[in-house]
Amino acid sequence: DAGVTQSPTHLIKTRGQQVTLRCSPKSGHDTVSWYQQALGQGPQFIFQYYEEEERQRGNFPDRFSGHQFPNYSSELNVNALLLGDSALYLCASSDGGRGNQPQHFGDGTRLSIL
Amino acid sequence: RKEVEQDPGPFNVPEGATVAFNCTYSNSASQSFFWYRQDCRKEPKLLMSVYSSGNEDGRFTAQLNRASQYISLLIRDSKLSDSATYLCVVNRGYSTLTFGKGTMLLVSP
Repeated sequence: DAGVTQSPTHLIKTRGQQVTLRCSPKSGHDTVSWYQQALGQGPQFIFQYYEEEERQRGNFPDRFSGHQFPNYSSELNVNALLLGDSALYLCASSDGGRGNQPQHFGDGTRLSIL
Repeated sequence: RKEVEQDPGPFNVPEGATVAFNCTYSNSASQSFFWYRQDCRKEPKLLMSVYSSGNEDGRFTAQLNRASQYISLLIRDSKLSDSATYLCVVNRGYSTLTFGKGTMLLVSP
């Protein structure tokens, strides 16, 4: 039973570029959430996708956008990258129909902005 | 005020020690509560859920006090393998999690 998978594992970009990160949820899960974890901080909620729509959003600018596909996989897009976007980006999945269940995290994508 | 606040670390303890982590949260509408563990440069992993009645999983005991909006984690008989960062996590609903900054635990021989 595959857990949450993310790609790529590492990525290096320069300021102003755009990036797309990908996530496949754990089998049986239909809800995907994205988090940003800066060095020395706890993860911060970016947004959540359920039924191919953004259901919840944290305090992140519009440069951060996403998408969920019919197979429940998801993408996180970040435009006009800033140095401060360097972080570990975590994807988590859960069963949206079962309320407040704990989330299962992928290994993350480590994004470095030069 | 941050939504979830934890003890600043790190905590340095010898093997066999008992260590307690404290956490407070500000949103009284928070629905569920967890402790996650995160190893260096790895993803967070669920350690245990936290209930008002208190719950125990082996050497780990978690407590929740909704009235004072306080969560705790007690680790007894610390092992070297317990060294990690412990994250206090609050669910605001729809499984959207708010994390504390984390408290690092270092267990030494």
